[in-house]
Amino acid sequence: TQLLEQSPQFLSIQEGENLTVYCNSSSVFSSLQWYRQEPGEGPVLLVTVVTGGEVKKLKRLTFQFGDARKDSSLHITAAQPGDTGLYLCAGAQNAGNMLTFGGGTRLMVKP
Amino acid sequence: DSGVTQTPKHLITATGQRVTLRCSPRSGDLSVYWYQQSLDQGLQFLIQYYNGEERAKGNILERFSAQQFPDLHSELNLSSLELGDSALYFCASSVGALPGQGFSPLHFGNGTRLTVT
Repeated sequence: TQLLEQSPQFLSIQEGENLTVYCNSSSVFSSLQWYRQEPGEGPVLLVTVVTGGEVKKLKRLTFQFGDARKDSSLHITAAQPGDTGLYLCAGAQNAGNMLTFGGGTRLMVKP
Repeated sequence: DSGVTQTPKHLITATGQRVTLRCSPRSGDLSVYWYQQSLDQGLQFLIQYYNGEERAKGNILERFSAQQFPDLHSELNLSSLELGDSALYFCASSVGALPGQGFSPLHFGNGTRLTVT
């Protein structure tokens, strides 16, 4: 059982559609990160959220941290083929850097 | 380019063998982390070092060991390899990792793909 559950595991959509990826846990996190990983490469940090209820925007990507700091969501508006990849959420529970990763959401955006 | 260098990129070996994976962190980063990523899985934390000292341990098997050298590069040693050890092994580095320092972003290398036959 993953400490962080991501859903959906797989998502295939057409270019221009909107989508939301969820990251849920029963544990409280001091911070939560979203990473994007492309084939043959390591994960790349997209955003870090720290405060409960925090919302951060990165172009067409909107990240939200739940009020209780147990869950997070990633919303992509008007998805493009370049958004294709594996999206990973990761939580830090202590005032340190040990991250627990979710199982990932594999997104494919078709032109 | 994250600045984290991992070698080799690919490694194919037989069951029962021993291999060493190497990681050079970003310049200035004191912390090194090792993660294992199996096919279609998220990343499983193995171990963390900070300035040469072991800082945290995750789901690392006893057959696996790691160290961080004075020049801050790190090596992950995998011994008595089994088929199930086939995976991508990632190294990441960050500036700091001591309690109270808060979270500092992890920068990942491109991984070593280990295939055990």
